[in-house]
Amino acid sequence: DGGITQSPKYLFRKEGQNVTLSCEQNLNHDAMYWYRQDPGQGLRLIYYSQIVNDFQKGDIAEGYSVSREKKESFPLTVTSAQKNPTAFYLCASSRTERGDTQYFGPGTRLTVL
Amino acid sequence: DAKTTQPPSMDCAEGRAANLPCNHSTISGNEYVYWYRQIHSQGPQYIIHGLKNNETNEMASLIITEDRKSSTLILPHATLRDTAVYYCIVRVKAAGNKLTFGGGTRVLVKP
Repeated sequence: DGGITQSPKYLFRKEGQNVTLSCEQNLNHDAMYWYRQDPGQGLRLIYYSQIVNDFQKGDIAEGYSVSREKKESFPLTVTSAQKNPTAFYLCASSRTERGDTQYFGPGTRLTVL
Repeated sequence: DAKTTQPPSMDCAEGRAANLPCNHSTISGNEYVYWYRQIHSQGPQYIIHGLKNNETNEMASLIITEDRKSSTLILPHATLRDTAVYYCIVRVKAAGNKLTFGGGTRVLVKP
């Protein structure tokens, strides 16, 4: 069953702690993306990666870090430097060669207490 | 990417067709029209996309006007599970190109 998985669905952390959100895909997609969604708002791009061991900053990369060591995995770390980390985080993937359709995972809702 | 305009909300009767309009009067020749929907607290779901021609798949139909300045997403037989926020997006099909979601249309399917 192909798709994108994100875990956990809900995550709670204390202020000042780093936290890593998981994103895995078995669609054999080259490109992967991280977006952030705040209540009642659209999506904002945090980071994206078009190929293993390479990634680019999106519009709101400050306070976040990523890695792309494997094609299937694109974890996002929310660091203590992120001022307002509480949000809904969405991972997406697509085939790169045609800038193709992005497919999304179920999301992780992060709450920083 | 070109800006889109959608009505903020609409109701639809279960079993009837839902017609969702989108205005994209500044669309460029190489920009595609994409539709996604987002059910509360879930990730966005891809529905359909097109460039010039009308498109149909198992979920919906996309009708694009000849001048490409507007389009309509048609859900042929709306069900309660189609209640969601529907987003119309125009974007160039380029590697790494982000999706920009506007306000969308909040569709409520009523029994």
